[in-house]
Amino acid sequence: GENVEQHPSTLSVQEGDSAVIKCTYSDSASNYFPWYKQELGKGPQLIIDIRSNVGEKKDQRIAVTLNKTAKHFSLHITETQPEDSAVYFCAASRGTGGFKTIFGAGTRLFVKA
Amino acid sequence: EPEVTQTPSHQVTQMGQEVILRCVPISNHLYFYWYRQILGQKVEFLVSFYNNEISEKSEIFDDQFSVERPDGSNFTLKIRSTKLEDSAMYFCASSGQTNTEAFFGQGTRLTVV
Repeated sequence: GENVEQHPSTLSVQEGDSAVIKCTYSDSASNYFPWYKQELGKGPQLIIDIRSNVGEKKDQRIAVTLNKTAKHFSLHITETQPEDSAVYFCAASRGTGGFKTIFGAGTRLFVKA
Repeated sequence: EPEVTQTPSHQVTQMGQEVILRCVPISNHLYFYWYRQILGQKVEFLVSFYNNEISEKSEIFDDQFSVERPDGSNFTLKIRSTKLEDSAMYFCASSGQTNTEAFFGQGTRLTVV
């Protein structure tokens, strides 16, 4: 069945360093790849997304890359800050119009001040 | 900023009892979803709903589960006879037109005792 693998499960970085989280997906029909940040006791919040017709997307300190051939996508956070500490989920879907979204297992990011 | 609201925030129920989790999606959204997250695990898709019918459901969403949009604003998830393993955080989400992101609510923590 469809699956999304995410690595690492835990990531600890020094404030100001970069953080990279990598995911792979199995469903070839996936064409929408959102990334969510989840803080304690809250629901997932979309931080950035990318569609299959784009290889890279950037929004300030956050960037995502997608390699459709290899079914890999990654999240890059530069100049990390303590408030970036949270659990990050990658996900894959066949679209946003009622399709299910398959989530990765999550990466707990710690940014040390 | 518009948001998805869920009530209650925490529900404790006896095994075998029926529970109804309530959600008010963002007002002009068309697609509605339920996800669950067992403590410390990944977010799992349960069901999507569009135009008053289920669009897609996962194998988790068995005959014990049902969804309803009883009026123009609420979207509910009913679990007919709760089991201990139904204990989880349940998230409602909604999205607008086909190419828009899904917004998640804060979740309802269901504890079955």
